Amino acid sequence: AQKVTQAQTEISVVEKEDVTLDCVYETRDTTYYLFWYKQPPSGELVFLIRRNSFDEQNEISGRYSWNFQKSTSSFNFTITASQVVDSAVYFCALSVPPSGTYKYIFGTGTRLKVLA
Amino acid sequence: EAGVAQSPRYKIIEKRQSVAFWCNPISGHATLYWYQQILGQGPKLLIQFQNNGVVDDSQLPKDRFSAERLKGVDSTLKIQPAKLEDSAVYLCASSLASREYEQYFGPGTRLTVT
Repeated sequence: AQKVTQAQTEISVVEKEDVTLDCVYETRDTTYYLFWYKQPPSGELVFLIRRNSFDEQNEISGRYSWNFQKSTSSFNFTITASQVVDSAVYFCALSVPPSGTYKYIFGTGTRLKVLA
Repeated sequence: EAGVAQSPRYKIIEKRQSVAFWCNPISGHATLYWYQQILGQGPKLLIQFQNNGVVDDSQLPKDRFSAERLKGVDSTLKIQPAKLEDSAVYLCASSLASREYEQYFGPGTRLTVT
């Protein structure tokens, strides 16, 4: 069975601090995809990144960076120099497409509060 | 480019009543999804359409939930009769058939069943 665990329910940081959101996944499949989504107070889920299981390169996009480690089944997300606008709930998701369809399995989310 | 549209944004009903939600995906997106997000949890897929055909409805409680996408564009999700545990945000998402890994979500409909 597939599972995504986001152990951090809520994190509070002061603006300009760095913060890392943890994501641990479980799957027996060798081919899978991992995602991060941001859910601001408006409710929409905003796509941030997708990683496939064969690409372990870390990625940086502005103040965002992602660390994918298959050895520990983790796909952690770091925000550098956090800003108040980063306050949101962040979801990690796993997709295993054995039949070609992308059914997402979401974690329970981490609520990030960035204080001014 | 317009995003995924959903209506209504909020709905309050009593248990055993019926309710319907509407979703209009991004133009050109063949794949449409309905998710249920209970407070404090991640979204859970209810049903996935490819054009007007159902691809996956394995987690849809079919005794009370139904969904359709008759013309392959907009979609409706219905609950009849509603239960207290149906209180949740119902999210609609869409994607290009060739890029299903990149789903675009609407603002959701927050349903409260009293």
